Amino acid sequence: EDQVTQSPEALRLQEGESSSLNCSYTVSGLRGLFWYRQDPGKGPEFLFTLYSAGEEKEKERLKATLTKKESFLHITAPKPEDSATYLCAVQAGSSGYSTLTFGKGTMLLVSP
Amino acid sequence: EAQVTQNPRYLITVTGKKLTVTCSQNMNHEYMSWYRQDPGLGLRQIYYSMNVEVTDKGDVPEGYKVSRKEKRNFPLILESPSPNQTSLYFCASSLGRGAYEQYFGPGTRLTVT
Repeated sequence: EDQVTQSPEALRLQEGESSSLNCSYTVSGLRGLFWYRQDPGKGPEFLFTLYSAGEEKEKERLKATLTKKESFLHITAPKPEDSATYLCAVQAGSSGYSTLTFGKGTMLLVSP
Repeated sequence: EAQVTQNPRYLITVTGKKLTVTCSQNMNHEYMSWYRQDPGLGLRQIYYSMNVEVTDKGDVPEGYKVSRKEKRNFPLILESPSPNQTSLYFCASSLGRGAYEQYFGPGTRLTVT
């Protein structure tokens, strides 16, 4: 069974204080790892897709990296508007269709 | 604007009263899916559809039905809602069965009393 574990569950940062969120996964045949941002009461918003170990993607203050066992979402010099829950999801399986398995998320609060 | 829409956004109903939550996407996506999100449990998939007239169960399908008669629409049907179906529901769509990102709707908050 595919498993996705995110840590920490919650993280409080001061504005400008860089940090990283972790997503560790156990799957058989990773096809893609996804990062989403979710604001309270709203639908998840797509951030990145990573397909293979060593891959990195960046968007503004966010940078996602991938190894064979985990992914990190690095937040550089965060601002209060980066406060949200960040979700990690994996799609696995060597053939055919496979569902997305989501982690429970990391709730990030950035204080001014 | 490319989007996934859901209606209603909020719904309070009573046990046993059939209801339908609609979902529509304007991106010509083949794949659509329904999730529920509960505190401490995260997002869990209810049903998905890989194309018109093709649907399959996700992780938590009990108590739900879906249909896919048109590519753009994927309604979620609760024929006899129960209080344990009180949750936040999201519809999502993506290009196809591969590792494509999913685009989520704004959510429907359902309360069953």
